Amino acid sequence: NAGVTQTPKFQVLKTGQSMTLQCAQDMNHNSMYWYRQDPGMGLRLIYYSASEGTTDKGEVPNGYNVSRLNKREFSLRLESAAPSQTSVYFCASNRDTSYNSPLHFGNGTRLTVT
Amino acid sequence: AQSVTQPDIHITVSEGASLELRCNYSYGATPYLFWYVQSPGQGLQLLLKYFSGDTLVQGIKGFEAEFKRSQSSFNLRKPSVHWSDAAEYFCATPSRGKLIFGQGTELSVKP
Repeated sequence: NAGVTQTPKFQVLKTGQSMTLQCAQDMNHNSMYWYRQDPGMGLRLIYYSASEGTTDKGEVPNGYNVSRLNKREFSLRLESAAPSQTSVYFCASNRDTSYNSPLHFGNGTRLTVT
Repeated sequence: AQSVTQPDIHITVSEGASLELRCNYSYGATPYLFWYVQSPGQGLQLLLKYFSGDTLVQGIKGFEAEFKRSQSSFNLRKPSVHWSDAAEYFCATPSRGKLIFGQGTELSVKP
């Protein structure tokens, strides 16, 4: 029972490099999310996808793009990484965006940009 | 927009002692409120949620939380802490359809 799977677990990038963080869920959830976690800031929503085929900006979307590839997969792309994007990134999913639907989180990707 | 604040960044308690983690919300109507826990190296897991009705909510792992409108609070409690409860705890509330998290409280447990 995998739940939400994120790859890679760790990544180091140089400033200006690009990369894509992958996320897949096997719970047939409609909605998927990308958060970043920084010390003292809690989790901040980057982008989300309420359903397959839709994506919307969250609190901190600048410097990121997303793709909802299909119902299972939601990727996050950094086109030109910056040191300010050093963070732990979490993917999450839920049945839908209603408040009754708890979020299920992956184990995170720790990204360092030098 | 709704928001939540966790005033304590870090709390240390002795194993077996009681625990209370604070969460304050800002919203006029009855809010939806959640507590999540994050163990080291893991994602977040839902502990409990409050939507309406009984103001004392029971969750998993022996946790409970009480909604107090007069104090705009939704504090998390546990009568007797175990070493395995050492983790980071997040209060959360929906805002404009998305879940917004507090800054988190890191709990350390002394033997």
